[in-house]
Amino acid sequence: GNSVTQMEGPVTLSEEAFLTINCTYTATGYPSLFWYVQYPGEGLQLLLKATKADDKGSNKGFEATYRKETTSFHLEKGSVQVSDSAVYFCALLDTGRRALTFGSGTRLQVQP
Amino acid sequence: IAGITQAPTSQILAAGRRMTLRCTQDMRHNAMYWYRQDLGLGLRLIHYSNTAGTTGKGEVPDGYSVSRANTDDFPLTLASAVPSQTSVYFCASSPGQGAYEQYFGPGTRLTVT
Repeated sequence: GNSVTQMEGPVTLSEEAFLTINCTYTATGYPSLFWYVQYPGEGLQLLLKATKADDKGSNKGFEATYRKETTSFHLEKGSVQVSDSAVYFCALLDTGRRALTFGSGTRLQVQP
Repeated sequence: IAGITQAPTSQILAAGRRMTLRCTQDMRHNAMYWYRQDLGLGLRLIHYSNTAGTTGKGEVPDGYSVSRANTDDFPLTLASAVPSQTSVYFCASSPGQGAYEQYFGPGTRLTVT
């Protein structure tokens, strides 16, 4: 079946540091891939997506590239801010159910 | 403001009681979903509905039921709550028909004692 594996957190960075959160997946074919962000006490918000190999999703300074060779979709940001502190979820679209399979989430803590 | 609403925001429920979590969207999305979020496990799909009048089972459906009588509403019912159903429940919707990014409600925190 489908699965998503994320690096365990928490990831603790200083403001303006470079961020990478690793995500790899197992799936049949080439599913659409997503990153969601969850701020404390809130629901999940779509951060970015990529629908085919070599696509790059980007939003709010975050980027992720769909790499079919390595079945990866790593999230990156060049300079994090305190306001980026949240839990980040990688997910893939199950084309059968048309529902998402999520990774376990990675908590990011950015210190001033 | 368009979006998804969930009710209640939080609930403490005695084991064995019946409970319905409500979810309403005003975006006219075709598909709706229920997930539960548990620490260290991410979100897991309970049930889904690709269009009004149809439902399907997700990864963890046991102990839960859903109905989709119309486009806007997708209630989740726990027939006889057990402590292992203590969780945060999120409802989501997506446009469907080629656009499958999902939009989430604010969640319901349920504690079964």
